[in-house]
Order: sequence, then C-alpha cells, then structure tokens
Amino acid sequence: DGGITQSPKYLFRKEGQNVTLSCEQNLNHDAMYWYRQDPGQGLRLIYYSQIVNDFQKGDIAEGYSVSREKKESFPLTVTSAQKNPTAFYLCASNAQGSTEAFFGQGTRLTVV
Amino acid sequence: GDSVTQMEGPVTLSEEAFLTINCTYTATGYPSLFWYVQYPGEGLQLLLKATKADDKGSNKGFEATYRKETTSFHLEKGSVQVSDSAVYFCALRWKETSGSRLTFGEGTQLTVNP
Repeated sequence: DGGITQSPKYLFRKEGQNVTLSCEQNLNHDAMYWYRQDPGQGLRLIYYSQIVNDFQKGDIAEGYSVSREKKESFPLTVTSAQKNPTAFYLCASNAQGSTEAFFGQGTRLTVV
Repeated sequence: GDSVTQMEGPVTLSEEAFLTINCTYTATGYPSLFWYVQYPGEGLQLLLKATKADDKGSNKGFEATYRKETTSFHLEKGSVQVSDSAVYFCALRWKETSGSRLTFGEGTQLTVNP
C-alpha cells in the first residue's frame, strides 16, 4: 500500500545532540513537507521541498536542516541549535497540482 | 500574512448532539480551504475540502461551506458519535510558484461522551 512512513515513532535525545527523523513516501509525490506540532499552537512549517535536490525554509527553520537526495526521502535533522526541540513532528507530501496533502503518523521527540 | 483562526476548545458534547466548529481566515484572494482530523497519537487525515467560493465540502456526515463574504469555513455535523472524538484543524492553501503550503489553525479538541 502507498503511503508515508515516519520513523521512529518515539525518539529521545540528550541536550546537545543532533538527531535525524526519517520520512519516506512511495506515492511518487514531488513535494514533501515537515511540520512541528505543539499543544495549542497548531502545525508550523519547518521546511519543504518541491523537487529533488531543492528545498526551502518554512516559518520556523532555525535549528533544523533537511536534505532531498531522493524523491522518496526527506529526512529532518534537529540540531543542538534548536532550543526547544520537544514536540510532535509530522511529515507530509502531495503530488504537483493536487490540493490534498498526505501525512505520516508522526514522530514524538523528547529532550531528556 | 495569511492566517487561520479556529474557535477555542476543548469542545465536549453528548452523543447525537449538533457540532459546529468555527473557522475564519485572513488572506488576499481565494485560497483552497480544508478540514483535517487527527486521532490520538496519529498524523492528520483530510476530512473535507473546498476550492472556490460557495463550494460545500462533505465527508462522513461532516460539512463545511466556503463563505467568501464572511471569510469562513465552519465545520458542522448533525449528530456526533463517540468515534468523532479527535482534534480538528482548519487550513488554507495557496498555489505558489515555489510550492504549495498549508497554513493551519490552532486545532480544536472534540470529545464526545456516550
């Protein structure tokens, strides 16, 4: 079945460490997105990519980095520069020209 | 900039009650509008959408009408069920030259009691 897979579901990080969240899709979608969800604040866009080897900053890109070396994959790295990384992270994708975005199941990151 | 405002939650209803969750937006022009639903511990699922003024989106008994004059896209359901308990997000989307991104409201937590 086609879909978006995020891993891991739960992730714990020590302060000062970088961690990478995985997002893979087999929907043949060109566009992929990373959102951060905090309680009572809805979803905020971190980074997005429309084509391979190209990506743009969203509204809260500071402290994060991404890569898009393959169409299927859009990993997000949470760096030590991100001051408040504890959150629920959601990956999404959509086909060019389509209005519908498909979401993964999310990764809950906790800094310990 | 663009923004979406949803009614404050949480909302608690009894089964078979009528549901309204208000959503208004601020934007220049006419974006596409969406309602997404998030069940506990999961990602978001598209519930319904409308792409132009006066369009009505509907799915699983939920409805919302794109009102240009009031810049609103209120979600309604005539008779809620316990299984409708979730967080509901209103969102808008533009087709930009560099991509198409969603702007979300804060989300409204709905709890339906038997």
